[in-house]
This record gives sequence, C-alpha cells and structure tokens, in this order.
Amino acid sequence: GAVVSQHPSWVICKSGTSVKIECRSLDFQATTMFWYRQFPKQSLMLMATSNEGSKATYEQGVEKDKFLINHASLTLSTLTVTSAHPEDSSFYICSARDRQRELFFGEGSRLTVL
Amino acid sequence: QKEVEQNSGPLSVPEGAIASLNCTYSDRGSQSFFWYRQYSGKSPELIMSIYSNGDKEDGRFTAQLNKASQYVSLLIRDSQPSDSATYLCAESGGGADGLTFGKGTHLIIQP
Repeated sequence: GAVVSQHPSWVICKSGTSVKIECRSLDFQATTMFWYRQFPKQSLMLMATSNEGSKATYEQGVEKDKFLINHASLTLSTLTVTSAHPEDSSFYICSARDRQRELFFGEGSRLTVL
Repeated sequence: QKEVEQNSGPLSVPEGAIASLNCTYSDRGSQSFFWYRQYSGKSPELIMSIYSNGDKEDGRFTAQLNKASQYVSLLIRDSQPSDSATYLCAESGGGADGLTFGKGTHLIIQP
C-alpha cells in the first residue's frame, strides 16, 4: 500500500508552546490530506481536511487559529498546535488518499503537553 | 450527522475460530466502506475496502456489505493471536471527504 510518513512520532512540550507535526506522502502525490485526533480508548475524530494550495477545511468545533494547517506541496502537509495546553495532549494522525482513493495513515504523533 | 456504530467489545474468540465483526452506518448515501486494524498505541492499518453489495475476500479476511440494511461486517478465518487488536469500521460518501469512523471493536484471540 501507499506510504504516508509522519514526524515526529512523539513530542513532549511545555504548556503555551507551539508544536509542528509533518505529514508526507512518500510514493504518491496527495492533493488532499486529512488530520485526525484520537484520545485514549476513543475513535478517530476528523479535525480538518488539508487541500494543497488552498485553505484547510475544519470540522465543527475545531479551532482553526489553534490548529494551523499548511499544505504547501503535493507531498507535504503540516499541523501546528499553537499555544498548546494539557487538554491538547492526544494522538494526532494524518492520512492521504492514493490514486485508488484508499486512505492510508501516517504512523501518528503522540503529543504530551505538560 | 453521519454515524458509524460498532460494538466496543471486547470480543473474545478462540484461536483457529472465525471472528465476526459487525458495523452499521446511518447515511444511506455512503459509498465506500473500510475496515482498519489498530494495535494499541499505533496508527490504523487498512485491512479491507468494499464498495458494492456482497462479499469480498482477501486471504483470511472477508468483508460483507448490505446497503439495504446499512450493514458491514468483517470475518476473520483461522484467527491468530496476532489478530488481537481494535478493528475500526469506516465509511465515506465519496468525493474528497475524509472517513467517518466507528469507535472500534476490541478483538481478543485466545491461544
């Protein structure tokens, strides 16, 4: 299957700092990438749809000024959690569709805010 | 709002038996359906996709779709301890939208 790479795999930061997570499609071009968040023992919740060359589309209840998404190229999307707080601690997972329109996930980034 | 429902389990199955996982969805306009496997602390891994009514087989896995009943299932034959994981059902309405996931079923294969 297609390969989606995510970095960093885990990060610990102090409250009030910003954290950037990168998502790359390694063997295909992805005009659309998706960012999910997963709290312990919960399902994946779609946060936003990242569109190459245009603004991201955020799901209801997700603050666009807090979760900045940039999709500058066909293989890279970034999620920046600004002024992170302990309640932002979660497992953040990006995904992208390949040419067969199947969705593949990155390895995930576990964020812990102290 | 779209909903995907799964029994959270845990579902306990003896090694070598057939594990049956079920899922229902609310949106009749849903076009595509997926089963993902997620090990604890890891990202989901695509197991099967199914788009039309009937059965689709891939190795030990069989996905079944019944659009009239809005029901999707996954059968795992000859269950192995390594199949122990949480299985997520997901649907898509097509186009460029993301998937809607169920909460997942925790499957335990007992040696």
